[in-house]
Amino acid sequence: DVKVTQSSRYLVKRTGEKVFLECVQDMDHENMFWYRQDPGLGLRLIYFSYDVKMKEKGDIPEGYSVSREKKERFSLILESASTNQTSMYLCASSSGGLAMIEQFFGPGTRLTVL
Amino acid sequence: KQEVTQIPAALSVPEGENLVLNCSFTDSAIYNLQWFRQDPGKGLTSLLLIQSSQREQTSGRLNASLDKSSGRSTLYIAASQPGDSATYLCAVRGGGGKLIFGQGTELSVKP
Repeated sequence: DVKVTQSSRYLVKRTGEKVFLECVQDMDHENMFWYRQDPGLGLRLIYFSYDVKMKEKGDIPEGYSVSREKKERFSLILESASTNQTSMYLCASSSGGLAMIEQFFGPGTRLTVL
Repeated sequence: KQEVTQIPAALSVPEGENLVLNCSFTDSAIYNLQWFRQDPGKGLTSLLLIQSSQREQTSGRLNASLDKSSGRSTLYIAASQPGDSATYLCAVRGGGGKLIFGQGTELSVKP
């Protein structure tokens, strides 16, 4: 079974802090994704990566950056956290290169920015 | 721009009933459609993936159909159980590889 893990289930940070969210997958998938999920807005894609050191902006990249130095790890970085970044963050991975077949999700990180 | 709609937003049924969840999308040029389940406060669990060339997929009590030309998919759940209570999300993959999600249907199965 594919396993996607996220470094924290719950995280509380202060406004202005730099925040790192880590995601690791164990199935040698080429593609990895970061989403945020908010009530009434659904899931929205922040960034994705289809290879090591490659990244593509999703629908809402502002205020975020990403890093993919190793195939199994994809990090989401909030350079200066703000209260409007309080959300549930979900990481996903898929195989198939640009074909991007089935996506598998991690358990999520609920981030609260005070 | 692709839009995905799920109706109803919430559904409550008694245990044992068969039920259908609906998903519609505006652009029929999709590569695949995926159904997910999400329990409160948790991540998404993939249930079924239908490629654009397929008409349906089955897994246990779940059956998903796809009618690309009309922009519709249904998820059929047979003999519902309280453990099926969750939010069900559909997502379509178009060009560029991105998944576009619906808002979900919150299902409650009463014992």
